[in-house]
Amino acid sequence: EAQVTQNPRYLITVTGKKLTVTCSQNMNHEYMSWYRQDPGLGLRQIYYSMNVEVTDKGDVPEGYKVSRKEKRNFPLILESPSPNQTSLYFCASSFQGPDQPQHFGDGTRLSIL
Amino acid sequence: KNEVEQSPQNLTAQEGEFITINCSYSVGISALHWLQQHPGGGIVSLFMLSSGKKKHGRLIATINIQEKHSSLHITASHPRDSAVYICAVGKGNTPLVFGKGTRLSVIA
Repeated sequence: EAQVTQNPRYLITVTGKKLTVTCSQNMNHEYMSWYRQDPGLGLRQIYYSMNVEVTDKGDVPEGYKVSRKEKRNFPLILESPSPNQTSLYFCASSFQGPDQPQHFGDGTRLSIL
Repeated sequence: KNEVEQSPQNLTAQEGEFITINCSYSVGISALHWLQQHPGGGIVSLFMLSSGKKKHGRLIATINIQEKHSSLHITASHPRDSAVYICAVGKGNTPLVFGKGTRLSVIA
């Protein structure tokens, strides 16, 4: 089954404790991206990757890192999480870019205390 | 940067009603997406349009490139259609810009 898998689905943690949210897709997609969703603000892009070893900042990259060492994986790293990063996070992928059908993961709800 | 406006923000309908959700954007695009987000949180892509009209079951999406406007129609609405519907636009490889969503409740 074609899917985008995020882990964990839920995480409560404390300020400053490094965490990684994993994202994996099994559709051989070149384009992957991370979004955060906040009430009243909608979805905003954090980082995106057009292909392996190619990543770029989205609209709200501060406090986040990503890597794309393999085509299927695109982890989101919070080196020193802060409470303002409490949010619902989505990973998405598509065959070649944002102007093609997007496939979303189920979301990761992060709470930073 | 593109500005995306959706209307209405909230919509309550009786089961069986015909529903229209609108999306307007400010700058020319190469693709417009309609997404559905159920209360559990997951996001599903419903349509991607660059021109004309697409239909899938009871859902119809249209786009007018000249007027920078798209509509999502739901015929014979059902309580399971209750969700947030999100419009997103993109041009080439620039990041998608999302509307804030329309919350639809369909009452039996």
